[in-house]
Amino acid sequence: QVQLKESGPGLVQPSETLSLTCTVSGFSLTSYSVSWVRQPSGKGPEWMGRMWYDGDTAYNSALKSRLSISRDTSKNQVFLKMNSLQTDDTGTYYCTRGPTYYGPPYYFDYWGQGVMVTVSS
Amino acid sequence: DVVLTQTPVSLSVTLGDQASISCRSSQSLEYSDGYTYLEWYLQKPGQSPQLLIYGVSNRFSGVPDRFIGSGSGTDFTLKISRVEPEDLGVYYCFQATHDPPTFGGGTKLELK
Repeated sequence: QVQLKESGPGLVQPSETLSLTCTVSGFSLTSYSVSWVRQPSGKGPEWMGRMWYDGDTAYNSALKSRLSISRDTSKNQVFLKMNSLQTDDTGTYYCTRGPTYYGPPYYFDYWGQGVMVTVSS
Repeated sequence: DVVLTQTPVSLSVTLGDQASISCRSSQSLEYSDGYTYLEWYLQKPGQSPQLLIYGVSNRFSGVPDRFIGSGSGTDFTLKISRVEPEDLGVYYCFQATHDPPTFGGGTKLELK
């Protein structure tokens, strides 16, 4: 069945780089997109960026200067790297499966369990 | 960025009641292809968001028919008839018509 699982460090120092991995199963990264979504505690989610089925990427303009998304299709993994972390980057980070390309129908149908990231010294 | 304003922020209901959540967008969500990229997600306590409705009014696989999405342009509504215990949590509307995709602030559905 379709599964996504995030992994990475739970604690990151301010100004350091966050590295997360989303390992997927039950579908191919060359057939679907994968997005990263984060959620500060008690607040609404924020879409961060996406890896399209063809390897193209899209980023939230608010994060674009700090964010990089890549993948390894042979390992069924999508990676997130974000630099210059600050305390307001603390929250739960999710990866989620999205559509193959931009067009109807469009939705995130499967989500990982999320990984909590705390930015603190 | 497109701002999605959800009201109310919190909604207290009795089981079996109807609940209604509004999502208003700062811009029209109808795309040039004629599709409206508006979805509804439910996040139950301690869980990841789960898809309920896509394209304004299409229920995702397995979503009960007591969930009804409607609206157009900038005004959208999610109605839940006969609220059940498993419906409790925070509801988010989400738009992908404009870049970047954005979520609403959420509506917490709780028991009275």
